[in-house]
Amino acid sequence: EAGVAQSPRYKIIEKRQSVAFWCNPISGHATLYWYQQILGQGPKLLIQFQNNGVVDDSQLPKDRFSAERLKGVDSTLKIQPAKLEDSAVYLCASKAEGASTEAFFGQGTRLTVV
Amino acid sequence: AQRVTQPEKLLSVFKGAPVELKCNYSYSGSPELFWYVQYSRQRLQLLLRHISRESIKGFTADLNKGETSFHLKKPFAQEEDSAMYYCALPFGGFKTIFGAGTRLFVKA
Repeated sequence: EAGVAQSPRYKIIEKRQSVAFWCNPISGHATLYWYQQILGQGPKLLIQFQNNGVVDDSQLPKDRFSAERLKGVDSTLKIQPAKLEDSAVYLCASKAEGASTEAFFGQGTRLTVV
Repeated sequence: AQRVTQPEKLLSVFKGAPVELKCNYSYSGSPELFWYVQYSRQRLQLLLRHISRESIKGFTADLNKGETSFHLKKPFAQEEDSAMYYCALPFGGFKTIFGAGTRLFVKA
């Protein structure tokens, strides 16, 4: 089966600029996650969707980050305006129903804010 | 609160030596733990899950509820095992939290 697709793979922007990331999950996966992985750290959950509804966005810096999953399939994550500390790899993952099912990850988008 | 702790950032062993990557968790319910691996320039992927009690690439992990641990073990490390390893705890039906990760470096 096709995996989780993310684009772009790399992005370099100046601070205070805006950026958007796109994710196409595995077909049929209702759960979609966005994780932020700062260099040297494990993935940190930013937001989780179940179909097109938000399940958990408690760690999303809502003053600058936003995400949507219209139609319950593709998702976009936006940062506006970006800060230097937003430099990280942004991972998208999707999961089928059930607590024991594994999450499948995309390749990630490496963001560098200069 | 749910927590996953991997105390070692880096573990370096010689080829053929045994390896153990430590993972401790904090969870009030009945845990189902996973190990994910990320090889160089590849995406994060599932290595094994405790519920299936399987051995993948020679790795095993036993859930010890008394010690709240889920250590990953392999009797004879190989160079291709060099990677980042993450212990993960799914909970609440949908959520998954990850440990900070341990980088395993297997020396020739």
